[in-house]
Amino acid sequence: KAGVTQTPRYLIKTRGQQVTLSCSPISGHRSVSWYQQTPGQGLQFLFEYFSETQRNKGNFPGRFSGRQFSNSRSEMNVSTLELGDSALYLCASSVVASSSYEQYFGPGTRLTVT
Amino acid sequence: GQQLNQSPQSMFIQEGEDVSMNCTSSSIFNTWLWYKQEPGEGPVLLIALYKAGELTSNGRLTAQFGITRKDSFLNISASIPSDVGIYFCAGPELQGAQKLVFGQGTRLTINP
Repeated sequence: KAGVTQTPRYLIKTRGQQVTLSCSPISGHRSVSWYQQTPGQGLQFLFEYFSETQRNKGNFPGRFSGRQFSNSRSEMNVSTLELGDSALYLCASSVVASSSYEQYFGPGTRLTVT
Repeated sequence: GQQLNQSPQSMFIQEGEDVSMNCTSSSIFNTWLWYKQEPGEGPVLLIALYKAGELTSNGRLTAQFGITRKDSFLNISASIPSDVGIYFCAGPELQGAQKLVFGQGTRLTINP
């Protein structure tokens, strides 16, 4: 079974621009979560989508948004990029089950804002 | 929000040595997850623990769910060079929510 895929793997943007990152979950996984990883803050939860609806949200500004499509693929968007948005953005998918929290991560998208 | 504290932050060991690391929380967790991350890659799930006192192995890796539900431990026996990486503990911030909180990680370096 193929793992979680993320595109692109690397991205360089300029302050003020916007960016869209894409994630394809493991086949059969219906929940997709996004995380931001930086050296200073570590791994921080952005949001989670299930059945095209945002179920959970982390403590990030409204410039960070996402969506999920009917095939469970997900995108996240960051508008008006700031230097501090430079990070590794990780997508994780999971089978939705009441007692399972196992999330499987993609390789990430490395975003550099200049 | 909940925070997970991992220790040690880094370890420098010789190949063949055993490794122990732990993760603690000020609040109770009902699930503990252990991940490993290598440079340029996303975290890989190693072990999931769901029951207090549970001891689970995955090859040379063994993890335990502390009986207080506020801690977890990961041991690696007979370390090899490919064990190099950063090990993270994680748990769901809220019961029923796919929202994980992560520890700061333990960076493992192995001298051959």
